[in-house]
Amino acid sequence: QVQLQQWGAGLLKPSETLSLTCAVYGGSFSGHYWSWIRQPPGKGLEWIGEIKHGGGTNYNPSLKSRVTISLDTPKNQFSLNLSSVTAADTAVYYCVRMKVVLITGVNWFDPWGQGTLVTVSS
Amino acid sequence: DIQMTQSPSSLSASVGDRVTITCRASQIISSYINWYQQKPGKAPKIVISAASRLESGVPSRFSGSGSGTDFTLTISSLQPEDFATYFCQQSYSSPSTFGGGTKVEIK
Repeated sequence: QVQLQQWGAGLLKPSETLSLTCAVYGGSFSGHYWSWIRQPPGKGLEWIGEIKHGGGTNYNPSLKSRVTISLDTPKNQFSLNLSSVTAADTAVYYCVRMKVVLITGVNWFDPWGQGTLVTVSS
Repeated sequence: DIQMTQSPSSLSASVGDRVTITCRASQIISSYINWYQQKPGKAPKIVISAASRLESGVPSRFSGSGSGTDFTLTISSLQPEDFATYFCQQSYSSPSTFGGGTKVEIK
């Protein structure tokens, strides 16, 4: 049973860089896509980006210029950096595994980390 | 980006009611749609994948249907633990996008 545990700073000032890390326990790290998704308070979900075990990345174009997702394979961890944050980046951030059925390409997000509330305020 | 329009945004229902939530995609997405349940203060949890595949451990009162652009999530007999917010998500093309959510409240 794969479990994700995430951590990182919860309060940032405008223009700072958001940094979160997610550790993967209880399952294979290789062969999967690892994603970050965020949810502003009381609002919907926004996919931020993903990284494959081999290191290839794919970002949401709306955030691409500010996002970096990276892997630390020996530690079974992956990280999110979001630069130049503003109040609009205030949200709960989730790390997530994307499960893929290779034959069909069908994919979904499971499991999810516990979420980290990141608040941007001066 | 593919827009996912979910309706209604909220509904009030009683235990035992049949509940239907719909999601419409802005373009054809075949069966590449997933449904998630989210309770307050918790991460979303997958309920239905690939339009109609019931996830392991999810009660059989949940079902999904549809193909192309129009999809539904149905709860056949609402139970107290089902009161939550439900989101649809398209996984057909990047960036993956979500519906705005449907909050299911107790009448």
